[in-house]
Amino acid sequence: GESVGLHLPTLSVQEGDNSIINCAYSNSASDYFIWYKQESGKGPQFIIDIRSNMDKRQGQRVTVLLNKTVKHLSLQIAATQPGDSAVYFCAERRYQAGTALIFGKGTTLSVSS
Amino acid sequence: GAVVSQHPSRVICKSGTSVKIECRSLDFQATTMFWYRQFPKQSLMLMATSNEGSKATYEQGVEKDKFLINHASLTLSTLTVTSAHPEDSSFYICSASGASGSVATLHFGNGTRLTVT
Repeated sequence: GESVGLHLPTLSVQEGDNSIINCAYSNSASDYFIWYKQESGKGPQFIIDIRSNMDKRQGQRVTVLLNKTVKHLSLQIAATQPGDSAVYFCAERRYQAGTALIFGKGTTLSVSS
Repeated sequence: GAVVSQHPSRVICKSGTSVKIECRSLDFQATTMFWYRQFPKQSLMLMATSNEGSKATYEQGVEKDKFLINHASLTLSTLTVTSAHPEDSSFYICSASGASGSVATLHFGNGTRLTVT
């Protein structure tokens, strides 16, 4: 059967490894999703986004995968670097229009060199 | 550089006093701004949507009389925590979107750490 990635509150990886961070979203009507990175004492920083009519989108070193069947989102970071250490959140747009975002639970990524 | 600025970045106040937090869009006009609060090691929780020239829309469970929001201009929204208590201590973050109103142009401020003693 299809596996669903579990949300982990923390993830520790070695520098150079690939990281996968998972997120489950709540509303099947959500049409837009964003991954944010938050460093200590700062506001969220945009990483990558994806619309609901797509299942994959790639950026520089990052890839977002969307599985609408199980309402699951993942962020893959290639060749993880110490500077990637932060808390990562997925967010969904609640309405068809507008910009109110609902944030999921965060995952703290720790990268050791 | 930062396109959404929050002030102050940190504030300590005594219980029972009121604190005002400002959120400014620096190089664009924002008809809508959003206020979030974040407790330690938790996610951002949407408190309210601030609309320029009209009343804010509060999320369920957020006391509008305690968290006063004013969005008097297209570049400034303020959040006033009235009669603050220690349980109001939190990280408050605002966000605003650019002229297109698109989520893709949504920017977050760097937050305000409120400590109520």
